[in-house]
Amino acid sequence: DQQVKQNSPSLSVQEGRISILNCDYTNSMFDYFLWYKKYPAEGPTFLISISSIKDKNEDGRFTVFLNKSAKHLSLHIVPSQPGDSAVYFCAASAYYNTDKLIFGTGTRLQVFP
Amino acid sequence: NAGVTQTPKFQVLKTGQSMTLQCAQDMNHNSMYWYRQDPGMGLRLIYYSASEGTTDKGEVPNGYNVSRLNKREFSLRLESAAPSQTSVYFCASSEAPTRSHEQYFGPGTRLTVT
Repeated sequence: DQQVKQNSPSLSVQEGRISILNCDYTNSMFDYFLWYKKYPAEGPTFLISISSIKDKNEDGRFTVFLNKSAKHLSLHIVPSQPGDSAVYFCAASAYYNTDKLIFGTGTRLQVFP
Repeated sequence: NAGVTQTPKFQVLKTGQSMTLQCAQDMNHNSMYWYRQDPGMGLRLIYYSASEGTTDKGEVPNGYNVSRLNKREFSLRLESAAPSQTSVYFCASSEAPTRSHEQYFGPGTRLTVT
């Protein structure tokens, strides 16, 4: 059973526009959420995170929104740049096992000129 | 700092062969992890080590063994490789236990089992 779901395998956005990547989770014990970015032939790199006590966290062009009642989070990238083209993974962890991250299946973002 | 390094980068094995994937980190992190990434499956945790001398199973531990040799090194062993173990393997490390949970990943090992 997939506890963290990214239902859009791919997304294509024009440079300068907003990219919105979505993630849903089913485990109500998850209380910490992260986004990772992955380029081909490289390991994932951490992008931004959010604790369940917040509903928004911002870092430069990247903002993560958390809607706990809907068990949904989203990553907004504004403005999108060609260098943002990558696969984005959503991940979550539960308070009772902070070492274990559960990853979603990823969304491939392509930003075109 | 090299960060997290993995060897080898690529490997082809025949069914039944064994091999060890090596991982080392130079960030003085306590926790280390092994993941596999398969198409359409995301990253799945195989084993992790919260500190030197301890290891725990993740989501998909069957067919694998691990050794936390020291604080820097965490190896993953396939005793008898199977085609189902064809995957990209990533090692990661973090300062955990903390709640920041940022894990630093190595570049991966692409393993093919024929």
